[in-house]
Amino acid sequence: GAVVSQHPSWVICKSGTSVKIECRSLDFQATTMFWYRQFPKQSLMLMATSNEGSKATYEQGVEKDKFLINHASLTLSTLTVTSAHPEDSSFYICSASSSDPKETQYFGPGTRLLVL
Amino acid sequence: GQNIDQPTEMTATEGAIVQINCTYQTSGFNGLFWYQQHAGEAPTFLSYNVLDGLEEKGRFSSFLSRSKGYSYLLLKELQMKDSASYLCAVMNSNYQLIWGAGTKLIIKP
Repeated sequence: GAVVSQHPSWVICKSGTSVKIECRSLDFQATTMFWYRQFPKQSLMLMATSNEGSKATYEQGVEKDKFLINHASLTLSTLTVTSAHPEDSSFYICSASSSDPKETQYFGPGTRLLVL
Repeated sequence: GQNIDQPTEMTATEGAIVQINCTYQTSGFNGLFWYQQHAGEAPTFLSYNVLDGLEEKGRFSSFLSRSKGYSYLLLKELQMKDSASYLCAVMNSNYQLIWGAGTKLIIKP
């Protein structure tokens, strides 16, 4: 149980384009989903927390207009990197937890983004 | 401020035992998590401690002392596949996960 999928696993795009990453909880309802970014040899950095049906809460320093998050259903959240630039190249990971905020976060396999 | 401290890197021998320590200072406490992350992959859940004491799960055990702000992950009978980074994370009073930088564990034959 507690499987989270992400799509795509790899994406290469040109600078200035937008990229959408999907995060799905396959066998449970995820009231809360989290989006992280991880640069090489660094720890996870929380970008935003999204609750189903409401606006995402962004961490300080994360641009809301650049990283658009939608959590339209209990099993799907999307992260759109708008007008991507080379410095946005990173490993993007989502995680999901069920209704209890104390519940363990289960991670998706991650999406590696390379912006040329 | 809130911070999680864990060693950057540790080396151990196949078949041996290794203990990875984690100390924390957070605004409130709602549990401590250990995750394993292999290179290029997402973290996978290992353990959750919210009460003091030792939680054993197969070859892995996790210990918590809330009064000391301290936890450790104990790995027994080390296997080469245990080579990975081990992340300590604490959930604070706002239910936010505060992450450590991770401990890279290198297993030698």
